[in-house]
Parts: sequence; C-alpha cells; structure tokens
Amino acid sequence: SQQGEEDPQALSIQEGENATMNCSYKTSINNLQWYRQNSGRGLVHLILIRSNEREKHSGRLRVTLDTSKKSSSLLITASRAADTASYFCATDARNQFYFGTGTSLTVIP
Amino acid sequence: AAGVIQSPRHLIKEKRETATLKCYPIPRHDTVYWYQQGPGQDPQFLISFYEKMQSDKGSIPDRFSAQQFSDYHSELNMSSLELGDSALYFCASSFGQGGTYEQYFGPGTRLTVT
Repeated sequence: SQQGEEDPQALSIQEGENATMNCSYKTSINNLQWYRQNSGRGLVHLILIRSNEREKHSGRLRVTLDTSKKSSSLLITASRAADTASYFCATDARNQFYFGTGTSLTVIP
Repeated sequence: AAGVIQSPRHLIKEKRETATLKCYPIPRHDTVYWYQQGPGQDPQFLISFYEKMQSDKGSIPDRFSAQQFSDYHSELNMSSLELGDSALYFCASSFGQGGTYEQYFGPGTRLTVT
C-alpha cells in the first residue's frame, strides 16, 4: 500500500491566498521531502525535513512535520498563479522512496 | 548548474519490443533512483543504485532490469513491453543514499507503447 496519502486531492484558491497541503504516512521515516510537478513535467525538489525537525522554511514555503501523528504539511504563502502545479510528499523507508497521491493546486489570478 | 539528464525524452515502441532509457546524474552524485509515473498517478519507486551496486528494489517488473555504470550513469532496460508500461520514467540522483540527501529529478522520458 502507498506510504503517503495527501489531502486535499485538489485545491483551488485565489492569488495572494495561502495554500495548505497535508501528507500522512504509515511507517517510521528518516526524512520527508516535498516535490512540485507541473503538468506532464519533471519533479522539482522543494524542501527536505528530517525526522528530528519540526518545522522548516524556504522562501514562501513552510513545512511542518509531526512524527507522532505521522503527518506533514506544506504551506505556500501569498500564492501566485505560477504556483499552479501538483505537489507530492515523499517519504523514505529503507532507501526506498514512496510518493503520496499528490495535491493538485490551482491558483486563480 | 548541471542537472540530471535523461535520454531519450520521448520514445514510442510497439508491444513486445525492448526499450533502453538512460540517466546521467548530477556530477559527483553517486546514487541513482528510477521511478515510473503512469497517467494521472503518483510516481512509483522502481529501483536504486549506490556506487554502482543495486541498493534497493521497489515495484520493478521482472521484465525490467537496470544497472549503474562506472561513470555513474544508469540505464533502465525494459523488455517485452506491454501497453501498461506507457508512462513517464523519471531518474533522480543524490549524493549519498537514502532519504538523508535531496533527490534531484531529471525531466523524465515519456514512453508510449502501442
């Protein structure tokens, strides 16, 4: 079964609003990574958070990790139309990476 | 900065044919991962290599094989292709194995099996 599940599956917001995506996983992890994918294109690494970290920031991105709840969230602040993409979380378990189902984000100009 | 290179970018094959996908990692990266992403699906881990040795295996069919060469590039060989093999195949590289290190993805090879 999939390691990661993301929620919501689809999210539509107005430009300037914040977008929050959640990821839950099932087993213990060393790290969790968030990726972005534009339609039919490659995956772009956004941020890595280690299991001993609780929060990490990168520009307009903020990631939290709660290992007790086996969940992570990605917050994109002040969204832009160019943020429209699918966002995946990926967890590692014994050198294998498992991707969640992804959240499709649409930012309306 | 140099990125992960994959070739070819697009490939069309017929059922039962073979295909070879190539991946050139970022210079000095020693780990390569292969993923398959079907239409509308999330990426699925296939196999990984660290220092030219297979380090882990995911949902890779027996019809597929892969290896990492001395220059760290990797090739994914796919035989007896089936229609269901049509997908985007991503390669990623990292310096060091496991999730400790960031994986950087190539642009993908879009394989269409007809």
